[in-house]
Parts: sequence; structure tokens; C-alpha cells
Amino acid sequence: QITLKASGPSVVKPTQTLTLTCTFSGFSLSSTGVGVAWIRQPPGKALEWLGVIYWNEDKRYNPSLNSRVSITKVTSKNQVVFTMTNLDPVDTGTYFCAHSSRFDPWGQGTLVIVSS
Amino acid sequence: SYDLTQPPSVSVSPGQTASITCSRDKLGNNYVSWYQQRPGQSPVLVMYQDKKRPSGVPERFSGSNSGNTATLTISGTQAMDEADYYCQTWDSNIAVFGGGTKLTVL
Repeated sequence: QITLKASGPSVVKPTQTLTLTCTFSGFSLSSTGVGVAWIRQPPGKALEWLGVIYWNEDKRYNPSLNSRVSITKVTSKNQVVFTMTNLDPVDTGTYFCAHSSRFDPWGQGTLVIVSS
Repeated sequence: SYDLTQPPSVSVSPGQTASITCSRDKLGNNYVSWYQQRPGQSPVLVMYQDKKRPSGVPERFSGSNSGNTATLTISGTQAMDEADYYCQTWDSNIAVFGGGTKLTVL
């Protein structure tokens, strides 16, 4: 059974950097074809894909985020770390991690509020 | 705005058929996935590669994709199907979501 869970701070100040961790089980991020994606959802709004990291270290990011985002993996710990710089209140929302390119399954999201 | 266009809302009576569309120019050339999100929950994959149902998704869910439009169809809609539905595709290794459709079963 594959499970994922996003965790991190619940409140971040504007201009600060957000770091979230996705801890997963039931698969290995060293297996061919496997990836972990990050997706966010502002309150009451639609889903927005942020990026993905694959088993071979290949990474893809949402071009609209203008290089603010980076994703790394800690294979030995079954973790993926998401970083977003220069936070703004519009970045407030629930952040999810999900397994592979099919986004199946999704982890329990974590709500991040950007406020001074 | 979103690259994939969905109607904001669809209403259906219990037992009837609900159709949720997702549109973009030449969408039929790409695979489309669909996700169901109930209030307060994480999204769940209900359709992938246009018309494949993941294990555990009821047979009343079906999908199609041709031309400029992908469609998620729910036959014999039940109250438990009331949720937000999002379509998604890949563009040159970048994932794109639709704006979401709220399905109301009344």
C-alpha cells in the first residue's frame, strides 16, 4: 500500500522560504519510472501543479513559478523535500504530494498560511 | 485562467447520467486523467489515459477523449459522487489541471 504525507510549517511570513517534506512508504524512489509530484490548492480554488522529481533525478517545474521552486529527494529516508522562495500571501493554500506521473495516490495535504 | 476549460458546475438527479467536459485545442492528442475531490479530502484518481479506471473505481465512471474535448461520464449517479472533479494532462513534461467542476447531485 502506497502512502504519502506532506508536512511542514503552518504559517510562514512573506518573503520567507517555505520548506515542506513528503514522507512516503510502499514504493522506492530509486525504482525506474517512479516520481513524486507536488500540487497545491489555494482555499476554494483549483489545483495547481508545482513540480515533480523522478527516480533518475530528473526534475520538472511549473514555469509560472519563475524558478522559485526546487525539489530534492532523500532516497534513504523515503522523503522528498519541496522548497519555495520569496513567499507571498497568494501562496497560501494546501500543499499535496502525490505518487508518480499518474498522481495516484495523493498524500494528506498540509495547509500553509503566508501572513505577517 | 486555465489551459483546460471545465464548466464550473454540473447538476444531476440521482440515478441519472452526469457528463463533465474538459476542453482545449487538440486535447484528443494527449492523455487525460480525472480526479475526484470530496470536501476536506485529498483528490483521488478516477480515470487515467482517457478511459482507464483505477482499481476500486466503480464501473459507472467512464471516460473519453476526442478532438478538443475529454469527457468524464458517471452513469447512475449516486449521492456519494457529489464532489469537485478536475481534469489533467501533460504538455511537454509539464502537468496542467483544469479549473474544476462541482458536481451536485440533487
